[in-house]
Amino acid sequence: KAGVTQTPRYLIKTRGQQVTLSCSPISGHRSVSWYQQTPGQGLQFLFEYFSETQRNKGNFPGRFSGRQFSNSRSEMNVSTLELGDSALYLCASLSGGAFFGQGTRLTVV
Amino acid sequence: DAKTTQPNSMESNEEEPVHLPCNHSTISGTDYIHWYRQLPSQGPEYVIHGLTSNVNNRMASLAIAEDRKSSTLILHRATLRDAAVYYCILSNAGGTSYGKLTFGQGTILTVHP
Repeated sequence: KAGVTQTPRYLIKTRGQQVTLSCSPISGHRSVSWYQQTPGQGLQFLFEYFSETQRNKGNFPGRFSGRQFSNSRSEMNVSTLELGDSALYLCASLSGGAFFGQGTRLTVV
Repeated sequence: DAKTTQPNSMESNEEEPVHLPCNHSTISGTDYIHWYRQLPSQGPEYVIHGLTSNVNNRMASLAIAEDRKSSTLILHRATLRDAAVYYCILSNAGGTSYGKLTFGQGTILTVHP
């Protein structure tokens, strides 16, 4: 089985722009979670989707949003980027345990 | 969310067993104990999980205390590739927060040649 695929792997954006990150879960997995990882805050939960519905949401501002499609692929969007949004964004596909992708490294300049 | 407590760091020598402890005194009856590890510049990697009984897989063993208030991840023969941050996390498989994993600071494992 192919693992979790996140695209792109690296991204550089300017403050004020918006960005969309993509995640393809393991085939057959219907639940996808997103996390932000920074040196200062560690790994923080953003949101979880199951069958196209947001099931859980972390404590992030409304600039962070996501969605899930009928094929379980998920996207997350960050609008009006700030310097503090620079981070590694990780997606996990859930079935028993959580299986993480390699992440998207976002740098906001 | 029920909380876990782990030592900040541990050291081991290559080819020796490593026992990584985790305390979770407020665990609820439906909380599963999960372990993940994260190597530098990679996403977290699932290691093992269990509910009440000890569990073994090709990567590690999980020993769960009888009262479930603590657990130990056992790496039977540490290798240099096992050097990583190890996270112990509780996940309520039957609850609405199933997909929400709360990561603490984890234990930084250093393996010496």
